[in-house]
Amino acid sequence: GAGVSQSPRYKVAKRGQDVALRCDPISGHVSLFWYQQALGQGPEFLTYFQNEAQLDKSGLPSDRFFAERPEGSVSTLKIQRTQQEDSAVYLCASSLFPRTGNTGELFFGEGSRLTVL
Amino acid sequence: AQSVTQLDSHVSVSEGTPVLLRCNYSSSYSPSLFWYVQHPNKGLQLLLKYTSAATLVKGINGFEAEFKKSETSFHLTKPSAHMSDAAEYFCVVNVFSGGYNKLIFGAGTRLAVHP
Repeated sequence: GAGVSQSPRYKVAKRGQDVALRCDPISGHVSLFWYQQALGQGPEFLTYFQNEAQLDKSGLPSDRFFAERPEGSVSTLKIQRTQQEDSAVYLCASSLFPRTGNTGELFFGEGSRLTVL
Repeated sequence: AQSVTQLDSHVSVSEGTPVLLRCNYSSSYSPSLFWYVQHPNKGLQLLLKYTSAATLVKGINGFEAEFKKSETSFHLTKPSAHMSDAAEYFCVVNVFSGGYNKLIFGAGTRLAVHP
């Protein structure tokens, strides 16, 4: 497709379960970001990939969170032993250039809404 | 550290009246600032961006924003609200760190438009 695609759109998990969220960026986009958006708040940065290299994971809230992008295209965000505080919308965004410079133009997917019971 | 503060969590206007969504920024150097919009169950969409070329920036759907360095503000305006403008709006600052740029979002302002 033409845009950033995320799946699943909705995920309900029992506390303690592992989940995996997938992001298909726009074809050819070098940069890929994951953001977490809690209810009523703005998106918060989780991690950044440039091609397959994870250059920044400073926003990952705990070691239960893990992200990968092995071939420099599709990315997966994995959350182990989910907790209720993990409930949020997880947004993926991509951009064409390694350095977005001043364009700020990230292309966002519609997000994966995770609810942990 | 660079950040943005959106001064109103909710704004309600009548259709056809002006819209003002307020944003203040904190930055140690000339920032790059943006407004993104998020419609329900939709992805974030870039409305407009300020990159120091012009202080008054025009965006899509009739929105514009003015960068005021003296006030450290970047308020979003629209002369006449439309029902379709109802959405969540985010003021965003672009931070250069570690050799790349990343976006830092404000908490958002929910705009309601009434008939």
